[in-house]
Amino acid sequence: DSGVTQTPKHLITATGQRVTLRCSPRSGDLSVYWYQQSLDQGLQFLIHYYNGEERAKGNILERFSAQQFPDLHSELNLSSLELGDSALYFCASSGRGPGRLGLNSGANVLTFGAGSRLTVL
Amino acid sequence: AQSVTQPDIHITVSEGASLELRCNYSYGATPYLFWYVQSPGQGLQLLLKYFSGDTLVQGIKGFEAEFKRSQSSFNLRKPSVHWSDAAEYFCAVGRRSGNTGKLIFGQGTTLQVKP
Repeated sequence: DSGVTQTPKHLITATGQRVTLRCSPRSGDLSVYWYQQSLDQGLQFLIHYYNGEERAKGNILERFSAQQFPDLHSELNLSSLELGDSALYFCASSGRGPGRLGLNSGANVLTFGAGSRLTVL
Repeated sequence: AQSVTQPDIHITVSEGASLELRCNYSYGATPYLFWYVQSPGQGLQLLLKYFSGDTLVQGIKGFEAEFKRSQSSFNLRKPSVHWSDAAEYFCAVGRRSGNTGKLIFGQGTTLQVKP
């Protein structure tokens, strides 16, 4: 268990629908990142939030949006879904939380959740 | 353009044999370097990282990687592969300042281990 929790694990929906993916970062981590993993594009950075504020955007479609709440959990909203949005969506967190030592410590090191697999039919 | 290349899409090795997975990057300056492993149905687990200092870094599960600035490479090695190492391996690079969590990943190398 990485400490990053993502729900749901699997989601099947239809084109045109809207879904929300949820992420709880490791305790004490202020940064949350969203990545998309698809067969044709590989792993791509979508967006980064730090302590509730958007810090950077990557290849995120306008139909997608995200936010980070005061309790630091984050949600990724995907709307007007298309077949091509089918992918594995990862959340990752990073930080220098108290007692954070070893390989996964530091603001530069991302710890990933298990992902949410979205299938659009 | 910034990019990471993992030349080998698929590698098969026998259990107990040595392993080397290649990674080359194109980046404006020396980035932070990472290797992640993804087992089927799992998330990405960090194996090791290079920030500075000794160019040979040790990671978890007996893996090591060597940073070679002149070759823009960060190859992953393991002296003796175990069946449980079968997975997909990703090399990634990140900035040293600013948005350091925006990683660029390679396409991955799938490792199959023969008994």
